[in-house]
Amino acid sequence: QQKVQQSPESLSVPEGGMASLNCTSSDRNFQYFWWYRQHSGEGPKALMSIFSDGDKKEGRFTAHLNKASLHVSLHIRDSQPSDSALYFCAASNSNNRIFFGDGTQLVVKP
Amino acid sequence: DTTVKQNPRYKLARVGKPVNLICSQTMNHDTMYWYQKKPNQAPKLLLFYYDKILNREADTFEKFQSSRPNNSFCSLYIGSAGLEYSAMYLCASSRGRGQETLYFGSGTRLTVL
Repeated sequence: QQKVQQSPESLSVPEGGMASLNCTSSDRNFQYFWWYRQHSGEGPKALMSIFSDGDKKEGRFTAHLNKASLHVSLHIRDSQPSDSALYFCAASNSNNRIFFGDGTQLVVKP
Repeated sequence: DTTVKQNPRYKLARVGKPVNLICSQTMNHDTMYWYQKKPNQAPKLLLFYYDKILNREADTFEKFQSSRPNNSFCSLYIGSAGLEYSAMYLCASSRGRGQETLYFGSGTRLTVL
């Protein structure tokens, strides 16, 4: 069973719009969560980490974590064409094993 | 400098032949990882080194081997490539244990024919 599930598989938003990505984990031992972003031809790059319940905001990006429901989300406001990429949710406990979801393909249309 | 380098960028291999992929990092990170990425699938953790200790995932234990001759370098070795090994292989490093951010290389695309 895959430990990290993401939705939707793909998402299209207009430039300037809000993009919302979701992630649910199946392992209650997970304590640490990240969002990674991968542009074509590159490796994934960390966008945000979130380790505590609640919201974490970095510029146009806001992550929300609810450990009780094992749910983490990412919201991108004022989406730009350069935000078009594959977004991965990742989760870990404290033993170095970090697991990824299948990804959400975001397209921001000018 | 947060650079992880992987060589080669593209690799062609024949069924039944060995494959060796190389990764290096200059950040003095304690942990180095190898992930396998196939289209429309999650990056799959294959193994990782924490310092000099190798940890291999149970479901890929017999398929992949690795070595880390020093802190900066890590290799991924396939003894006998099969068609199912065709994938993108991503190397990553991190400073310490599970709560640290991963830094990825650009990957090596392996095609087995």
